[in-house]
This record gives sequence, C-alpha cells and structure tokens, in this order.
Amino acid sequence: GAVVSQHPSRVICKSGTSVKIECRSLDFQATTMFWYRQFPKQSLMLMATSNEGSKATYEQGVEKDKFLINHASLTLSTLTVTSAHPEDSSFYICSAENPQRGAVSSYNEQFFGPGTRLTVL
Amino acid sequence: AQKITQTQPGMFVQEKEAVTLDCTYDTSDQSYGLFWYKQPSSGEMIFLIYQGSYDEQNATEGRYSLNFQKARKSANLVISASQLGDSAMYFCAMRDWNTGNQFYFGTGTSLTVIP
Repeated sequence: GAVVSQHPSRVICKSGTSVKIECRSLDFQATTMFWYRQFPKQSLMLMATSNEGSKATYEQGVEKDKFLINHASLTLSTLTVTSAHPEDSSFYICSAENPQRGAVSSYNEQFFGPGTRLTVL
Repeated sequence: AQKITQTQPGMFVQEKEAVTLDCTYDTSDQSYGLFWYKQPSSGEMIFLIYQGSYDEQNATEGRYSLNFQKARKSANLVISASQLGDSAMYFCAMRDWNTGNQFYFGTGTSLTVIP
C-alpha cells in the first residue's frame, strides 16, 4: 500500500525556535497533502491543505505566518512552526492523497503519516 | 457546526465479544463518504472501512462492518470478536464535495478490550 512518512517523529525545542516537519509520499505522487493538529485526547483538526506548486489553503483560525507550509514537489510537503511556544506543543499529522488509487469509491484515497510529536519547552 | 458526532468517549468490551461504536453525521450533500480510522497509542491513523453515500450495501472488512442508516445519518462501526489489539481510539470521519473534499473527524471513542 501507499506509504507516507514524517520526519522527525518527535522533536523537543526551546521556546522561540522554529521547527520544520517533513511529510513525504514514498511510493506515489501526491498533488494534495493535508496538515492536521491533534491535542491530547482530542480529535484531528485540519490546519491547512497543501497543493503542489501553489499556496496552501489555511483553515479559519490558523495563522499562516506562524505555520508555514511549502509543497515544493509532488512527494514532499513541509510544515514549519515559526517562533514556537509551549502552546504549539501538539501532535502534527500529515496526509497525502493518491490520485491514482480510486479504490475508495470516487474519492482519492488518503494516507496518513505516522505523526510528529512536538514539545516546546 | 459539527459535522461528525461520536457520543461515546469511552467504551469497554470483553474479549471475543462484539462492540458497536456510534457515529452520526450532518451534511446536506447527496454525495459523501464515511470513514472509520483506528489510532493506537503510537499515534498513526489506520484506515479501517469506507462507506459511500450511494452504496446500497453496508461495507464490511474482515471483523469490521459499518451499519449505514442513511435516513438517520448514522454510520456505526461494528467490531466482531474483539481482540486485545483492538484497544485504541476510533475516529469516524466524513468527506463531502461541499467542503472541498477535506476530512472532518469526530471526537473519537476510546475502546478498551478486557481480557
């Protein structure tokens, strides 16, 4: 099956630093990737939709200047948390759509990465 | 407005028994998809089962089946013959064309299988 990787899996940083998280589709090209944030014991909340070669679309309430998204190629999207603060500590999950896999009815199948746990001290 | 509602924050089931996890949804679109994901403590999201709005038969995948009641807008997950490894968070999700093809997740149900 299609595989999506995330790097790093876990990161601890000091307040004020920037952290970059990579999301890669390993065996397919993903024109669209999604970034989610999940706080402990809560649901996944969509942060932004990342389209290759264009600007990301951010959900309401998500600061685009704080959460920089770059989808430079069909296999890589990056999320940079700029000037991280303790309240940014969370589990960040990406997902990628595989337009070649129409197995899930008319919807492109979406594959999730293993997540990145960010802790800001 | 909340699109996906999971009313059971936590559920317990005896090993080898069946359990039903509830999910209701809200959409005015006719074309949509319903998904169930399992999230173990490690964090990865594992796809379990899918039901399309036009599918007439309930979806089944091994021990997982989806009890789809379109008029009631419910898509309950049934896990048969529960195993200890089924202990995890379970999320119901929906995609519809009105929302630009993105996922909306419910708040999840924590399932604990008791030996």
